Amino acid sequence: AAGVIQSPRHLIKEKRETATLKCYPIPRHDTVYWYQQGPGQDPQFLISFYEKMQSDKGSIPDRFSAQQFSDYHSELNMSSLELGDSALYFCASSSDTHTDTQYFGPGTRLTVL
Amino acid sequence: SQQGEEDPQALSIQEGENATMNCSYKTSINNLQWYRQNSGRGLVHLILIRSNEREKHSGRLRVTLDTSKKSSSLLITASRAADTASYFCATDLIQGAQKLVFGQGTRLTINP
Repeated sequence: AAGVIQSPRHLIKEKRETATLKCYPIPRHDTVYWYQQGPGQDPQFLISFYEKMQSDKGSIPDRFSAQQFSDYHSELNMSSLELGDSALYFCASSSDTHTDTQYFGPGTRLTVL
Repeated sequence: SQQGEEDPQALSIQEGENATMNCSYKTSINNLQWYRQNSGRGLVHLILIRSNEREKHSGRLRVTLDTSKKSSSLLITASRAADTASYFCATDLIQGAQKLVFGQGTRLTINP
């Protein structure tokens, strides 16, 4: 079965640079979620989209923005990167916002030097 | 995590034994999900239990949910070395939020 696809899998950036992470949800899933997991920490919710509209927002810095496109893929844009942004970034998708399972992608490991 | 607390934080057992992990949460939920994560890898969904369910089974996994105590447990029976991973509970809150709120995780080590 098709899973959530994230690209790139690994990304290395310098401080103050920008990064764009991409997420392709499972086909026919209309909801996308972004999570950030720092080293040794639990995943923290950043933002979610349902039918291309932002549906919920968590602890996402103002330097980050995201959107969901007409084909339901989503991009997380991160600007003015800081060392503390180094983390695993997960995308998840679901077909129903409250009653269904969220399926996670393999994650993008971002390292900021 | 502000919502979930997991207990124990680390658990080491012998292969073949059963492993039990507990999760507590603070607010009302729609459902509770358990995920497994191998070191630095993706989150693998294990099982979802809805707020109106009390127990659920999937293979060697057994999950219970006690909404009156706001707690859940994950039991892995006949553990195997491949079960070594971190296990997270995650709650889907009732109050309009669509996000999952994760517990701190239990690091499970199965010794051969």
